[in-house]
Amino acid sequence: IAGITQAPTSQILAAGRRMTLRCTQDMRHNAMYWYRQDLGLGLRLIHYSNTAGTTGKGEVPDGYSVSRANTDDFPLTLASAVPSQTSVYFCASSSGQGPYNEQFFGPGTRLTVL
Amino acid sequence: GQNIDQPTEMTATEGAIVQINCTYQTSGFNGLFWYQQHAGEAPTFLSYNVLDGLEEKGRFSSFLSRSKGYSYLLLKELQMKDSASYLCAGLDSNYQLIWGAGTKLIIKP
Repeated sequence: IAGITQAPTSQILAAGRRMTLRCTQDMRHNAMYWYRQDLGLGLRLIHYSNTAGTTGKGEVPDGYSVSRANTDDFPLTLASAVPSQTSVYFCASSSGQGPYNEQFFGPGTRLTVL
Repeated sequence: GQNIDQPTEMTATEGAIVQINCTYQTSGFNGLFWYQQHAGEAPTFLSYNVLDGLEEKGRFSSFLSRSKGYSYLLLKELQMKDSASYLCAGLDSNYQLIWGAGTKLIIKP
């Protein structure tokens, strides 16, 4: 693996179903992020983790949960999907907090909730 | 509140120069990022400014004025492959990125 991978690439999900989006990085970055991107809106932060074992809420956390059991993995779970969660989800990582902290993005997961 | 404003769409001609503007309001300020995003792909880093002035990197340059809450991305010698969305993002006092909606740049031959 080189960089950040996400799985699945795309998914169609029935409303009410539980879904986990996977994200793995091999850069040994401390910080990881989950964003959603919707047409006409900027990237919106869902949850973040500054280091393994810690997580925090972003701008739009409702309906989503995350865990950070180790440095490499940062899964995002939708406990009971709703149509408004239809979006493209990007996972990102950076070496840590502070200035000049370029974020590296995964290829994204396109999720459709029907 | 926190806000990033940039034009929705711009059109330019191959070989020309284009300037994409961005104004920002963030709680505290720790720098301004520009990212490029081709359709259907992930954003990729272009530039970072934290001090006033112009940073040049090949065909791309980025400018920052902290007193005016203003930045621009300048693209020279435009190529068809520069057709993409350009995302402006401000780093706030909590070191979280606040993102603009992006400017879709269309390059015409």
